[in-house]
Amino acid sequence: QVHLVESGGGVVQPGGSLRLSCAISGFTLDDFAMHWVRQAPGKGLEWLAVLSHDGVTTFHADSVKGRFAISRDTSENSLFLQATALGYEDTAVYFCARDYSGNGAFDIWGQGTMVTVSS
Amino acid sequence: QSVLTQPPSASGTPGQRVTISCSGSHSNVGSNAVNWYQQLPGTAPRLLSFANNQRPSGVPDRFSGSKSGTSASLAISGLQSEDEGDYYCAVWDDRLNHQVFGEGTKLTVL
Repeated sequence: QVHLVESGGGVVQPGGSLRLSCAISGFTLDDFAMHWVRQAPGKGLEWLAVLSHDGVTTFHADSVKGRFAISRDTSENSLFLQATALGYEDTAVYFCARDYSGNGAFDIWGQGTMVTVSS
Repeated sequence: QSVLTQPPSASGTPGQRVTISCSGSHSNVGSNAVNWYQQLPGTAPRLLSFANNQRPSGVPDRFSGSKSGTSASLAISGLQSEDEGDYYCAVWDDRLNHQVFGEGTKLTVL
């Protein structure tokens, strides 16, 4: 069965870092592009980053460019988001999602992991 | 503020048809495939429509996407109480070089 399970969230101080993980089962990373999306409390969805199916190409939203980095480990069949220089505005639920069509159609989502930036 | 404009709210009574709009520009809706998501309270988003008007397996045919020029729409017919939630359009923007979501439309079933 196809599943995505995020982990690595928690409470972090401003300026701190976290590494979010997305464990993948039921398919392999080589076959699909993968994305990270977040949702601040009470707010809408915000796209963060994409990693191409071949692991070569990445794009990041301007709001996180230079601070966040998407990556993967095919041996673990896992996706990652390294988040650094965290600010209060980064408080959100972070979702990983599979790109079904290569056109940004996210057909499989994880349940999300909560990141809270607080002093 | 998103480059995609959606109405903040929509409503209808059970059985009615409701349409949610998504207005963009030539660099996004006008050039690329539009996708729609439903997010019920406390859950992850669910893909409702992709590539402008395609329905994933398991999505009822009450949900239908369409696109014309720089605007897209999601129509929900035979409205049901369980359709209450937030609806988002999404598309790749060639100028920004990244995916963008609309700000979302909260659907209320009266």
